[in-house]
Amino acid sequence: KAGVTQTPRYLIKTRGQQVTLSCSPISGHRSVSWYQQTPGQGLQFLFEYFSETQRNKGNFPGRFSGRQFSNSRSEMNVSTLELGDSALYLCASSSAAGFYEQYFGPGTRLTVT
Amino acid sequence: AQTVTQSQPEMSVQEAETVTLSCTYDTSENNYYLFWYKQPPSRQMILVIRQEAYKQQNATENRFSVNFQKAAKSFSLKISDSQLGDTAMYFCAFMKAGANSKLTFGKGITLSVRP
Repeated sequence: KAGVTQTPRYLIKTRGQQVTLSCSPISGHRSVSWYQQTPGQGLQFLFEYFSETQRNKGNFPGRFSGRQFSNSRSEMNVSTLELGDSALYLCASSSAAGFYEQYFGPGTRLTVT
Repeated sequence: AQTVTQSQPEMSVQEAETVTLSCTYDTSENNYYLFWYKQPPSRQMILVIRQEAYKQQNATENRFSVNFQKAAKSFSLKISDSQLGDTAMYFCAFMKAGANSKLTFGKGITLSVRP
């Protein structure tokens, strides 16, 4: 089975722009979670989607949003980018919501200049 | 809210030796899971081992084992026969049981295995 894939792997954007990141879960997995990793704040939970519904959301401003499609692929969007949004964004999938076995993708490295 | 604390930022171990990474957590939940994840320089997060809170027996996966002390809220990882490929950041993580896949991570520890 193919693992979790994330595209693009690297991205450079300018402050004020918006960005969309994509995550394709393992085939058959219906839950997708997103995490932000920075040197200062560590790994922080952004949100979780299951069957196209957001089930849980972390403590991030409304500029961070996401969605999930009927094929379980998920996208996250960040609008009005700030320098502090520079981070590694990780996506994880699991077969069901609340199932502890999560598999992570390689991440998207976002740099905001 | 849950918190996970990894107080050691860095550790170093000689190849073939044993090393223990510490983790403490705080929660009012009774049913939960604990994990150790490995993140090598490639940044790919890899699950090393998991422990269900309701199980008294400590989890073991080949060279990796945990010492789970529920009353003390302690969850340490022991790596036996350390290998160069074990060099990575290691994160301790908590997940509340139920319809919630949110992982709460510690700050991580950088482990270096010396040849």
